[in-house]
Amino acid sequence: GDSVTQMEGPVTLSEEAFLTINCTYTATGYPSLFWYVQYPGEGLQLLLKATKADDKGSNKGFEATYRKETTSFHLEKGSVQVSDSAVYFCALSGAAGNKLTFGGGTRVLVKP
Amino acid sequence: DAGVIQSPRHEVTEMGQEVTLRCKPISGHNSLFWYRQTMMRGLELLIYFNNNVPIDDSGMPEDRFSAKMPNASFSTLKIQPSEPRDSAVYFCASSFDSGRQETQYFGPGTRLLVL
Repeated sequence: GDSVTQMEGPVTLSEEAFLTINCTYTATGYPSLFWYVQYPGEGLQLLLKATKADDKGSNKGFEATYRKETTSFHLEKGSVQVSDSAVYFCALSGAAGNKLTFGGGTRVLVKP
Repeated sequence: DAGVIQSPRHEVTEMGQEVTLRCKPISGHNSLFWYRQTMMRGLELLIYFNNNVPIDDSGMPEDRFSAKMPNASFSTLKIQPSEPRDSAVYFCASSFDSGRQETQYFGPGTRLLVL
């Protein structure tokens, strides 16, 4: 079945550092790929998405490119801020309709 | 738009009691999802509905859990009887299923503590 694997955290960075969170997936067909972010005490929010190979999703300085050849959707940000401290979830929506398959989440802590 | 609304936001109850969690999806959305989040198991899909009909309940832990969606604007998740291991944050999410894998929008969650 479908699965998503993302790097375990926590990831601790200094402000203005470069952030990469790796995400790889297994799915049949052509899934859509998503990054969700969860700030402390809140629900998940969509950060960005890509619906086909080579698409790049971007939002709030974050980017991720749908790489079918490596089945990956790594999240990057060039210069993180303290406000980016959160848990980040990679997810895919595959052949099973609207259902999302989530990775385990990666906690990111940005220190001033 | 008000977004997905969940109530209560926090619930503390004693083992054996019945717990009912409520969700109002975004108006116009036709898919609704219930998730549970714990430190040990992460984010788990419990059940999802499409056009008020349960499509996949394979994630419901056991018979103590039940979910209903009597109309397009309301859903409940009930636990009876509750146990300490049910303590978790329960999220409701909704989306519009156009057959194109649309974004899910999450509510703020209900934090449940069973003593």
